[in-house]
Amino acid sequence: SYVLTQPPSVSAAPGQTARTTCGGDNIGGKAVHWYQQKPGQAPVLVIYDDSDRPSGIPERFSGSNSGNTATLTISRVEAGDEADYYCQVWDSFSAHYVFGTGTKVTVL
Amino acid sequence: EVQLVESGGGLVQPGGSLRLSCAASGFMFSSFSMNWVRQAPGRGLEWVSYISIGSSTIYYADSVKGRFTISRDSAKNSVSLQLNSLRAEDTALYYCAREGYSGTQQDYWGQGTLVTVSS
Repeated sequence: SYVLTQPPSVSAAPGQTARTTCGGDNIGGKAVHWYQQKPGQAPVLVIYDDSDRPSGIPERFSGSNSGNTATLTISRVEAGDEADYYCQVWDSFSAHYVFGTGTKVTVL
Repeated sequence: EVQLVESGGGLVQPGGSLRLSCAASGFMFSSFSMNWVRQAPGRGLEWVSYISIGSSTIYYADSVKGRFTISRDSAKNSVSLQLNSLRAEDTALYYCAREGYSGTQQDYWGQGTLVTVSS
């Protein structure tokens, strides 16, 4: 089955840039989506199709995808960005949706 | 405003059954595919099941295939998940999620309903 690997944690100081990755075999050939989940809340879509932002999501959130790694970048990090972030793809070979292991982003 | 409201969770013994429901409002339900995603306590997100527009295509995660059944009722704007032969490892918060109109992203999520499998 297709596996997505994320680092357990990432940290950044307010105003700095936080980057987290999502690794998968030839993930560059798939559409990657990113979700933000704050404690006690449902996930929220922050990036879809590698780099598109839903309405209402700040431009500080951006995404890229190439080769075996997709990246979520949060620019000018704010305290309110502290959350768990999950990547997700559709694996057509297995007909399964796959979520990454999740990264906890901490704002120092 | 898009709303998804799950219900039906609770405490059930191993081997038991539950039926989860998700009431949708604020959008044309019949035009969107739907998913169930679960999250065990303190763990990450795990996709459970997918149902397409018109119920023509259904998928299940390997961990629930043969035990769970997804269905939808466009007249009631709802999607359901029948959980049978429940195991302790099925304990989780179960989310209903709407699939984006033109992709595989989950663009709206409910708040979840908690299923606890324990004797």
